[in-house]
Amino acid sequence: AQSVTQLGSHVSVSEGALVLLRCNYSSSVPPYLFWYVQYPNQGLQLLLKYTTGATLVKGINGFEAEFKKSETSFHLTKPSAHMSDAAEYFCAVTTPVRFTPRDMRFGAGTRLTVKP
Amino acid sequence: NAGVTQTPKFQVLKTGQSMTLQCAQDMNHNSMYWYRQDPGMGLRLIYYSASEGTTDKGEVPNGYNVSRLNKREFSLRLESAAPSQTSVYFCASSEWAQGYNEQFFGPGTRLTVL
Repeated sequence: AQSVTQLGSHVSVSEGALVLLRCNYSSSVPPYLFWYVQYPNQGLQLLLKYTTGATLVKGINGFEAEFKKSETSFHLTKPSAHMSDAAEYFCAVTTPVRFTPRDMRFGAGTRLTVKP
Repeated sequence: NAGVTQTPKFQVLKTGQSMTLQCAQDMNHNSMYWYRQDPGMGLRLIYYSASEGTTDKGEVPNGYNVSRLNKREFSLRLESAAPSQTSVYFCASSEWAQGYNEQFFGPGTRLTVL
């Protein structure tokens, strides 16, 4: 079974600073990986996903993530934080082999705070 | 185009009471889902409906029942609420359940069971 670990439940950065949110996964087969964002009082929204192909994936709002098989990681980055990036971010993993909704696993989330 | 809507937004129950959480989507999606979100645990799938007329258990189905009323609506029922069911509940929908299809989430229902 697959699982995902997000390192750091809270991350605080200054506006304009680099954002780095860490995600490590465990999967016995090549995974599909996702980052979701949850703004206050809203549901989750897909930020980006990795399925196959290019390991550097670009998403909405200037975020990107790189799939590193050797490190079993899928860290989320943004070069310059904006106040509007303050939200909770969830990493998720699933397997493309005979995928069912039960196979999706979400991390515990990382709350990003952006200081002016 | 409202996407996925959920009612109510907030609810407080006493132990043993029952209630139904409502979810509707207007994207003509075939598949719908119910998740619960607990601090430090991420989202966990309670039940899903791959298509109208079908429902399947997810990771944490105990204490819940669901009804896929039609293609648009998918309700979640707590027959006898327990404090352990205090959580935020999210409904989601996607075009299909088979193979990965992006899920679209509602704004959530915050439930407290006293």
